[in-house]
Order: sequence, then structure tokens, then C-alpha cells
Amino acid sequence: GQSLEQPSEVTAVEGAIVQINCTYQTSGFYGLSWYQQHDGGAPTFLSYNALDGLEETGRFSSFLSRSDSYGYLLLQELQMKDSASYFCVPRLAGFQKLVFGTGTRLLVSP
Amino acid sequence: DAGVTQSPTHLIKTRGQQVTLRCSPKSGHDTVSWYQQALGQGPQFIFQYYEEEERQRGNFPDRFSGHQFPNYSSELNVNALLLGDSALYLCASSLGTGGSETQYFGPGTRLLVL
Repeated sequence: GQSLEQPSEVTAVEGAIVQINCTYQTSGFYGLSWYQQHDGGAPTFLSYNALDGLEETGRFSSFLSRSDSYGYLLLQELQMKDSASYFCVPRLAGFQKLVFGTGTRLLVSP
Repeated sequence: DAGVTQSPTHLIKTRGQQVTLRCSPKSGHDTVSWYQQALGQGPQFIFQYYEEEERQRGNFPDRFSGHQFPNYSSELNVNALLLGDSALYLCASSLGTGGSETQYFGPGTRLLVL
């Protein structure tokens, strides 16, 4: 079977650092993507980890450990505009079907 | 460089009607995938088109059908609409059908079925 776990909600204040964890269980795992989605908007691609380790893109970093079936998204210097839902999305070898869970709702307060 | 575009942005239909949603992929992309997102849920995969053929399909009934044109644009058709079909319909484009390519989403079409 296939499973995906993320916290349902995370709250933080502006300027803080927050980590959104993701554990997955799936066959044919190829890599882990992260998407951001603001209310009423479309998912926006943030990052992709094909290999173990940390990928940094500006204020956002994403980490993958294949042996632990675990990844996280790290958001630094939080801004109000970072309030959104964040989805970790496994990519499956040979298939482009993206499997989304319910995501993590991040609320950033002043 | 135009991103993924979708039309219309909003649509209201009644039960039993049929609807067609349209998607133009990002420049250079040849694969289009469709997703349905109900309120409070993550997007659910409907199907994917590549080379004008349906390549993969999610757990959706035959009322959901699609088409891809030679210019890679795509349509999603839903027949015999049900109240439960009310959702945000997202189109995503990518290059190729392997697992390593990033999918980029369009702004979506919000469908309300009354």
C-alpha cells in the first residue's frame, strides 16, 4: 500500500523557522517533491529531492532520507505570505501520477 | 514564457449536465495531467495524457474523460454531473512521462454543481 503522513497544522510567528516533516511509504519511490498552495490558488512547485541530503532554495530547504522514508521542508525567516498549505508529494518511478495527502496548513502570525 | 493556462476560471452547472474544461500546457511541455481537489483535501489524480493518449488513470468513473490535441493542449469532460463533482480542477503539465519531471500546475477551474 501507500501512505503519507504530515502534521495537519503548524503555527509560527514572523521571522521564525519552521520544519514540516513528512514520512512516506510507497513502492517505486523516485524522489520527494514539495508544493505550496495558498487558499484558492494552485499548487506551486517548491523543491525536489532525488538524492539523500539537503536542497536549499532561498529561504526554503528540503531534506530527504531514503533509508528512513522521511523528508522535511524547512522554512526560514518566516513571512506572513508563507501562510499556506504545504504538500510533500512522492514521485514514483516510471509514473507521473502525483499522490497528494491532505498537506500541512502553516499559519504565520505577526 | 507562458505558464499553464486553464479556462474557464469558474463554472456553475446543474446536476446531470455536462462540462468541458480546457488546459494549455507550459511552453515546451508535452504531457498533461488532470487533478480534482475538493475543499480541504489534496489534489487527486484523474488521468494523464501524452502523445494524445490516456496513459494513466486514477480512481475516477468513466463519466470523466479527456482528450489531448496535437498542440499538447487538453480537455477534461465530465458527464452527468453530480453534486460531489463540485471541486477545483487542476491541470498540470510536464515534459515526458517518467517520474523525474516536475509537474507545473495551472490556476485551476472552480466548478460548482447545483
